[in-house]
Amino acid sequence: DAKTTQPNSMESNEEEPVHLPCNHSTISGTDYIHWYRQLPSQGPEYVIHGLTSNVNNRMASLAIAEDRKSSTLILHRATLRDAAVYYCILRDLNSGYALNFGKGTSLLVTP
Amino acid sequence: EAEVAQSPRYKITEKSQAVAFWCDPISGHATLYWYRQILGQGPELLVQFQDESVVDDSQLPKDRFSAERLKGVDSTLKIQPAELGDSAMYLCASSSRAHGRAYNEQFFGPGTRLTVL
Repeated sequence: DAKTTQPNSMESNEEEPVHLPCNHSTISGTDYIHWYRQLPSQGPEYVIHGLTSNVNNRMASLAIAEDRKSSTLILHRATLRDAAVYYCILRDLNSGYALNFGKGTSLLVTP
Repeated sequence: EAEVAQSPRYKITEKSQAVAFWCDPISGHATLYWYRQILGQGPELLVQFQDESVVDDSQLPKDRFSAERLKGVDSTLKIQPAELGDSAMYLCASSSRAHGRAYNEQFFGPGTRLTVL
């Protein structure tokens, strides 16, 4: 699987938007971009995924660069419950296998 | 909402003892994964099952770890003997049939926190 690079940590104020970046310069044409997050003392949970176009769901938005070498997870209004480790993961269309987690970005949300 | 169940939630054992973890995936999910997560790092795959068959156990330390999913439903992960370096969170996840579906969502259980003394 192609590798991703994320900042180790980020900080945000409550009720403000948060933009979590991910670089994946070696992404292939069949790699989907997935985001998972892990709240303290819990297992990871799915957030969003995309291939080429920007995506929105109830949890977040995913903005994908035109060349697909980077993407940004957007939390529109951070809450204290959004404090978690966010993982950006590439997953090949033809791969039915496990998620390749990196270290992720630890997001701190302050009131 | 259906969830992945794991037990126990916490386990403390002494080195050289045997330990076992149990996972019950979401009903109907054919694919089951066991991950290990060391503090401060992301989860790493230990073993993946498709129904009752192992499809990837390349990262499983087979001299001490074993995993089974006899009827293609629930699964057990065993460590014998446990070593100090096995202290970690053991996570189970499940998904519907995985092949050819890169957007296939994995659902994780709460994990078992193992401490080896």
